[in-house]
Amino acid sequence: DTAVSQTPKYLVTQMGNDKSIKCEQNLGHDTMYWYKQDSKKFLKIMFSYNNKELIINETVPNRFSPKSPDKAHLNLHINSLELGDSAVYFCASGRGNIQYFGAGTRLSVL
Amino acid sequence: QKEVEQNSGPLSVPEGAIASLNCTYSDRGSQSFFWYRQYSGKSPELIMSIYSNGDKEDGRFTAQLNKASQYVSLLIRDSQPSDSATYLCAVGYSGSARQLTFGSGTQLTVLP
Repeated sequence: DTAVSQTPKYLVTQMGNDKSIKCEQNLGHDTMYWYKQDSKKFLKIMFSYNNKELIINETVPNRFSPKSPDKAHLNLHINSLELGDSAVYFCASGRGNIQYFGAGTRLSVL
Repeated sequence: QKEVEQNSGPLSVPEGAIASLNCTYSDRGSQSFFWYRQYSGKSPELIMSIYSNGDKEDGRFTAQLNKASQYVSLLIRDSQPSDSATYLCAVGYSGSARQLTFGSGTQLTVLP
């Protein structure tokens, strides 16, 4: 069983489109995260939810909107995609400071 | 601004040697320290955590923490080609946010 699963694994789309990435964890953790990893491998926190409540919202364009229907799910919706949004997006879940990552979604905006 | 710095590498070591990876952090309030391994095209995988000064050993891996110097390192003994990956240092802080700040990673290549 995959502990943190996110879909899709690859996402290729045109500029201006809207897309969503889904994430689910079966570890029973209260906290979930979205990270963006750029081409230089720098992993940067975007959002964090604790038990469906937003607790971290870093400086991210408001085109990015996280949604947590329950504590096992944290989805990411992106409006009006731009070329600079191309990156790998990782979902993670954690207890304390220990975090476990999903396999990542490679987003390519053309 | 919390910062975590690592040499980006690449770091190359021969098979069987000791690989030494280093990380410094800026916030003296940091309380937890982690090393993640990331193979190319894969997700970060937690390999070590350390919370107090000194050494912590797990198999071929040893994490070392010196809070006075704001320095954490990872030693990999008897390096294997399968250890070739990017190693990410992450620093955690107290509080409800449970936020980790990651370094940019050090790319390690173990040469057969």
